[in-house]
Amino acid sequence: KQEVTQIPAALSVPEGENLVLNCSFTDSAIYNLQWFRQDPGKGLTSLLLIQSSQREQTSGRLNASLDKSSGRSTLYIAASQPGDSATYLCAVKGEMTSGTYKYIFGTGTRLKVLA
Amino acid sequence: NAGVTQTPKFRILKIGQSMTLQCAQDMNHNYMYWYRQDPGMGLKLIYYSVGAGITDKGEVPNGYNVSRSTTEDFPLRLELAAPSQTSVYFCASSSPGRNSGNTIYFGEGSWLTVV
Repeated sequence: KQEVTQIPAALSVPEGENLVLNCSFTDSAIYNLQWFRQDPGKGLTSLLLIQSSQREQTSGRLNASLDKSSGRSTLYIAASQPGDSATYLCAVKGEMTSGTYKYIFGTGTRLKVLA
Repeated sequence: NAGVTQTPKFRILKIGQSMTLQCAQDMNHNYMYWYRQDPGMGLKLIYYSVGAGITDKGEVPNGYNVSRSTTEDFPLRLELAAPSQTSVYFCASSSPGRNSGNTIYFGEGSWLTVV
């Protein structure tokens, strides 16, 4: 059974710091891994999607890496800003039964960037 | 582009009442999902559908029912509401298949309190 774990559960950093959020998964048979951002009272917004054949994806100040063999992904945020404060979730896409697919979510890392 | 639309945004129910959470998507996605998110927990899959007329249980289906009469709509019905169903509910949709480039799109969420 696939399990997704995110460490740390919460993180508070001063503005301008570079930071790394971690995501680990137990079954390497995944189709992709996604990082999402969730603001309080809002839905999830996809930040980066890494396909199973890829090693990393970049978007602006965000860089996500994927190491399937070790079951790990990291989300790197450069030069953090107060506007980055949110909960960050990772999710892996895997096969449930033949022909159907599901997303397994981690519990998230709650990030606070202090001005 | 509306994406995934959920209604209502907020609702308070009394124990034993029933209600339906509405979800519609305009992206012609075959796959649709209902998740619940409890404080400090990841998203748990309640039900999913791989196309009109086809639904199946997820991890936590007890106390809920779904139907999928059209590609666009995927309502979630709560029968005999219980305090344990107090949660935030998210509807989501995605393209079918094992294409590792497919992302999942979320609605804004429905906050339900059962008292």
